[in-house]
Amino acid sequence: QSVVTQPPSASGTPGQRVTISCSGRSSNIGNNPVNWYQQFPGTAPKLLFYNNDQRPSGVPDRFSGSKSGTSASLAISGLQSEDEADYYCSAWDDSLNAVVFGGGTTLTVL
Amino acid sequence: QVQLVQSGAEVRKPGASVKVSCKASGYTFSSHYMHWVRQAPGQGLEWMGMINPSGGSTRYAEKFQGRVTMTTDTSTSTIYMELSSLRSEDRAVYYCARDRYGSSGYYFRLWGQGTLVIISS
Repeated sequence: QSVVTQPPSASGTPGQRVTISCSGRSSNIGNNPVNWYQQFPGTAPKLLFYNNDQRPSGVPDRFSGSKSGTSASLAISGLQSEDEADYYCSAWDDSLNAVVFGGGTTLTVL
Repeated sequence: QVQLVQSGAEVRKPGASVKVSCKASGYTFSSHYMHWVRQAPGQGLEWMGMINPSGGSTRYAEKFQGRVTMTTDTSTSTIYMELSSLRSEDRAVYYCARDRYGSSGYYFRLWGQGTLVIISS
């Protein structure tokens, strides 16, 4: 059972805006930056956002990240079929002295 | 080319140990902390621990304390992760991942291709 919680699934139709939530505690998200990863089957994760809302070069600006209190969100606007993937949030946890990942959200483009 | 290349798939018996390597190239090896993350079949990502490639200091997730050992070889720009007392639940893909430049930011922009470890009697 993850200390950081994500919905197991999300879906949307092409062109829609979808949001994936990430809920944690004061020891992790509440006190440390949140990062997001995108993972396609059989491949290594790819960094989507770091430090809550910093987008590495190459990540489309259709993707946006935000954080408020002990929760964070990943938003994808103008949803495309190639966005269908698993998405994970992560943060450092001061109590566990460990990086914690959310359980992951599988995004389906209908 | 900046990359992390991991060793190939391994098959081990329950109770045995496995050692996975991760060779860095294309950047200054000592400038980035390195992490190990694993992913069991159909499951999420799980952080195992981290190592300072230059000094060799480590920090392990509590779950793996006593069973995992992470080491570094600066002469070959390679880090290693050894997991002992293997059980069926250790079947997973093991990834090495590079932290940001300098002090650890606990996010990973560069990943290895992953190493599948199978536990089978």
